[in-house]
Amino acid sequence: DGGITQSPKYLFRKEGQNVTLSCEQNLNHDAMYWYRQDPGQGLRLIYYSQIVNDFQKGDIAEGYSVSREKKESFPLTVTSAQKNPTAFYLCASSNPGGQNYEQYFGPGTRLTVT
Amino acid sequence: QKEVEQNSGPLSVPEGAIASLNCTYSDRGSQSFFWYRQYSGKSPELIMSIYSNGDKEDGRFTAQLNKASQYVSLLIRDSQPSDSATYLCAVGLYSSASKIIFGSGTRLSIRP
Repeated sequence: DGGITQSPKYLFRKEGQNVTLSCEQNLNHDAMYWYRQDPGQGLRLIYYSQIVNDFQKGDIAEGYSVSREKKESFPLTVTSAQKNPTAFYLCASSNPGGQNYEQYFGPGTRLTVT
Repeated sequence: QKEVEQNSGPLSVPEGAIASLNCTYSDRGSQSFFWYRQYSGKSPELIMSIYSNGDKEDGRFTAQLNKASQYVSLLIRDSQPSDSATYLCAVGLYSSASKIIFGSGTRLSIRP
């Protein structure tokens, strides 16, 4: 089955700790994205990567870091510098080409920091 | 700041009726438009994409695009209780084709 996996589904951390969220895709998509969703809000872009070993900041990159060492993997680290890290984190991928920019989402990781 | 605006709802529609969801966007050069369905606690699921002016139909869903008015809508015919969800409108940016901006969503409730 082709798809996007995110782990873990739920994650609890103490304030001041860094935490890494996993995102893997086997769709052979070039582009991958990380979004954050807060209750009752839309999705806000944290980071995105269009090719391996390259990534760009999105609208709310402060306090987050990413890497793209392999095409199928795009992990997100939430650092202690992120002031309000509790949120639902969504990873997506797409294969931009022509007009087709459709993004497909993984199941998400719900992070709670206390 | 490029924006996508949706009425947050909730929009309550009787079962079997047509649900109409609307979205406006600010980036006049946008070329790609999407509707996602998100059930409570779950991730968004792509249900429609549209790139040209006019209507695009897929089963009970019809997406309508009017670039001159910067307006995109989603019609759901014969609404079912399983259609109760939040619907997110998303628009591709002209300046960066691989980026899309999401609206905050319209919560739809289908009443029996």
